[in-house]
Amino acid sequence: KAGVTQTPRYLIKTRGQQVTLSCSPISGHRSVSWYQQTPGQGLQFLFEYFSETQRNKGNFPGRFSGRQFSNSRSEMNVSTLELGDSALYLCASSLGSGDTQYFGPGTRLTVL
Amino acid sequence: DAKTTQPPSMDCAEGRAANLPCNHSTISGNEYVYWYRQIHSQGPQYIIHGLKNNETNEMASLIITEDRKSSTLILPHATLRDTAVYYCIVSPNMNRDDKIIFGKGTRLHILP
Repeated sequence: KAGVTQTPRYLIKTRGQQVTLSCSPISGHRSVSWYQQTPGQGLQFLFEYFSETQRNKGNFPGRFSGRQFSNSRSEMNVSTLELGDSALYLCASSLGSGDTQYFGPGTRLTVL
Repeated sequence: DAKTTQPPSMDCAEGRAANLPCNHSTISGNEYVYWYRQIHSQGPQYIIHGLKNNETNEMASLIITEDRKSSTLILPHATLRDTAVYYCIVSPNMNRDDKIIFGKGTRLHILP
């Protein structure tokens, strides 16, 4: 069974731009969570989607948003990029909300 | 804040058992102990989880104390490929309302 896939793997943007990252969960998984990882803050929870509904949200500004489609694929969007948004963005999928999470390889975003 | 405390780093000789401790003194009755590891710049990899009984799988063993306030992850025969940051997390397994919070983890160095 294929694992969690994330696209793109690497991305370079400039301040003020917006970006959309994509995550395809493991087949059959209906919950997708997003995390931001930086050297200073470590792994931080962004939000979780289950059955196309946001179920949980971390402490990030409204510039960070996401959605989930009927096939469980998820996207996250960051608008008005700031230098501090440079990070590894990780997606994790699970069968249901609260089940064991399996992570993708991440998208490394660099904001110049 | 993370609900777990782990040593920042540990060394282990190749071929020996690596024992990684984790304190979770405020764990609730419905919270599971999860272990993940992250090899540099990759997504975290699920290792094992448990509630109160000791657990073993093909990767590792998890020993949870009777009062559930601490646990130990055991890699029985460490190899160089086990060099990674190991995260201990406590989380309710079903109907999770709280966000998963990753701490700083333990950076495990396997020495040849």
